[in-house]
Amino acid sequence: AQSVTQPDIHITVSEGASLELRCNYSYGATPYLFWYVQSPGQGLQLLLKYFSGDTLVQGIKGFEAEFKRSQSSFNLRKPSVHWSDAAEYFCAVDSGNTGNLIFGQGTTLQVKP
Amino acid sequence: GAVVSQHPSWVICKSGTSVKIECRSLDFQATTMFWYRQFPKQSLMLMATSNEGSKATYEQGVEKDKFLINHASLTLSTLTVTSAHPEDSSFYICSARGSGGIDTQYFGPGTRLTVL
Repeated sequence: AQSVTQPDIHITVSEGASLELRCNYSYGATPYLFWYVQSPGQGLQLLLKYFSGDTLVQGIKGFEAEFKRSQSSFNLRKPSVHWSDAAEYFCAVDSGNTGNLIFGQGTTLQVKP
Repeated sequence: GAVVSQHPSWVICKSGTSVKIECRSLDFQATTMFWYRQFPKQSLMLMATSNEGSKATYEQGVEKDKFLINHASLTLSTLTVTSAHPEDSSFYICSARGSGGIDTQYFGPGTRLTVL
């Protein structure tokens, strides 16, 4: 069965520091990959997605993610974190373009002043 | 971008009552809608998938008689939690998908249900 793992439950970084959130998936082929952000009590906002092609994808709010097939990973990065980036981040996969997204456990990002 | 709305954004009800949550796609036709449940500090779990005019497909472990889903039009799906109990308290999020496939899938803002 497909699965998504976000190894880090909670991450704290200083404002202005770089950020990397890890995501690993388990699937036989290349799935569709997504990163979403959720602010407290809010729905999900799509940051970026990967379907095919260039393995480095750019998203909104200065985020990017790199698909590495050999590592079954799709890590999210941002060079300089802002206080407003504090939120919950979810990695998700869609194995067959069904719309049925399987989510990771989520990573809570805290930003220190 | 496309917008998906949910109503109400939060609801408090007494145990044993039923609650209806609406999910609307505001500027596109949603051929498929998905309902997720999110418990505090946890991830989203898919409850069911509904296609317009068809019966919903429920995930394993989700009681279809308790969580009634109706997708009567291409812009509206409803989730009714029947005879709600405190353990049903959760954040319910819908996702609407247009004819463009995964590229046209958007999430609603969620509905916070609290059952007393």
